[in-house]
Amino acid sequence: GAVVSQHPSWVICKSGTSVKIECRSLDFQATTMFWYRQFPKQSLMLMATSNEGSKATYEQGVEKDKFLINHASLTLSTLTVTSAHPEDSSFYICSAGDAYEQYFGPGTRLTVT
Amino acid sequence: AQRVTQPEKLLSVFKGAPVELKCNYSYSGSPELFWYVQYSRQRLQLLLRHISRESIKGFTADLNKGETSFHLKKPFAQEEDSAMYYCALAETSGSRLTFGEGTQLTVNP
Repeated sequence: GAVVSQHPSWVICKSGTSVKIECRSLDFQATTMFWYRQFPKQSLMLMATSNEGSKATYEQGVEKDKFLINHASLTLSTLTVTSAHPEDSSFYICSAGDAYEQYFGPGTRLTVT
Repeated sequence: AQRVTQPEKLLSVFKGAPVELKCNYSYSGSPELFWYVQYSRQRLQLLLRHISRESIKGFTADLNKGETSFHLKKPFAQEEDSAMYYCALAETSGSRLTFGEGTQLTVNP
């Protein structure tokens, strides 16, 4: 099956700094990718839909200026957490797919100290 | 608004026993329903989808539009079935997924 990768797998940053997370579709092209957030022992919450060549669509309550999404190519979407704070610490997961199935990345563990 | 509900956060059964993970949804149209599974330290992966009407790893799920349910069933649970199971809904193929809260299944020897 198709593979989606994320980098880094984990990151620790200081409060106030920015962190970029990459999501790549390794063997297929994805015009749309999705970014989710998962808190411990909770479900995945959709943050935004990343569209290649256009602006991302954010879910209600997600600050677009804080979570910057760029989908510059058909195989890469990036999520930048700007001015990170401890409450942004979470597990961030991306997915990409086709009309049949969504393939999920392994996730990125962000810890803000 | 669409919503997916999994009433059981934890479910524990013995090996060889039947298992049913419940999922109910609310959506005004005709959604696509999925079951995703996440084994320990692995990424989320698709288990099955309602339109395929197939059995994967012995699991089946039938969409009941009248009861707006999509329960996952297996007649004889195995220890390797222990994992986190998520029910999910999409408006159309390839569109955004709305996940339920998840059910942690533990199959005891």
